[in-house]
Amino acid sequence: AQSVSQHNHHVILSEAASLELGCNYSYGGTVNLFWYVQYPGQHLQLLLKYFSGDPLVKGIKGFEAEFIKSKFSFNLRKPSVQWSDTAEYFCAVNAYGNTGKLIFGQGTTLQVKP
Amino acid sequence: DTAVSQTPKYLVTQMGNDKSIKCEQNLGHDTMYWYKQDSKKFLKIMFSYNNKELIINETVPNRFSPKSPDKAHLNLHINSLELGDSAVYFCASSPASGWYQETQYFGPGTRLLVL
Repeated sequence: AQSVSQHNHHVILSEAASLELGCNYSYGGTVNLFWYVQYPGQHLQLLLKYFSGDPLVKGIKGFEAEFIKSKFSFNLRKPSVQWSDTAEYFCAVNAYGNTGKLIFGQGTTLQVKP
Repeated sequence: DTAVSQTPKYLVTQMGNDKSIKCEQNLGHDTMYWYKQDSKKFLKIMFSYNNKELIINETVPNRFSPKSPDKAHLNLHINSLELGDSAVYFCASSPASGWYQETQYFGPGTRLLVL
């Protein structure tokens, strides 16, 4: 069965620190990859996505992610986090033939200390 | 303008009751979804409708019944509510079938608490 694994469950950083959140998926075929963010008490918002082309994708609020096909990974990065980045981050995969079923990782709670 | 909206935002009810959650999207999308987020924040798909036709029906108790009166609306009716149904339910939509280079847009969620 397809699955998505996020390695870090809870990350605590100080402002201005660099961030990298890991995401691996188990599917050998064509995939669409997403990172969503959920700020406290709010709905899921799209941070960035990868469909094809340049494996380094840039999203909103200074986030970027790199798709490494050989490693089945799609890690999220930000060079310098802010207190306002405190949120839950979800990696999600939509695989060919899944008729739109997004498979989510278990989420990473990011806490940024001012 | 709200793209994907849900009502109600909060729902507190007793075990055994029947309740409905409504979802509407004004994006002109063909496909709508219901996801459940449990207490550990894990998100899992429940149902998906494409142009009023059920296309994804995950392993969900048959107490849960989705209904799509038109492609802009997808409602979720839950019979005989149980404590384990307490969760946040998110509605989402995507332009077409949901697969090829499509993004799903999520609503604000409905927080259901069963007492």
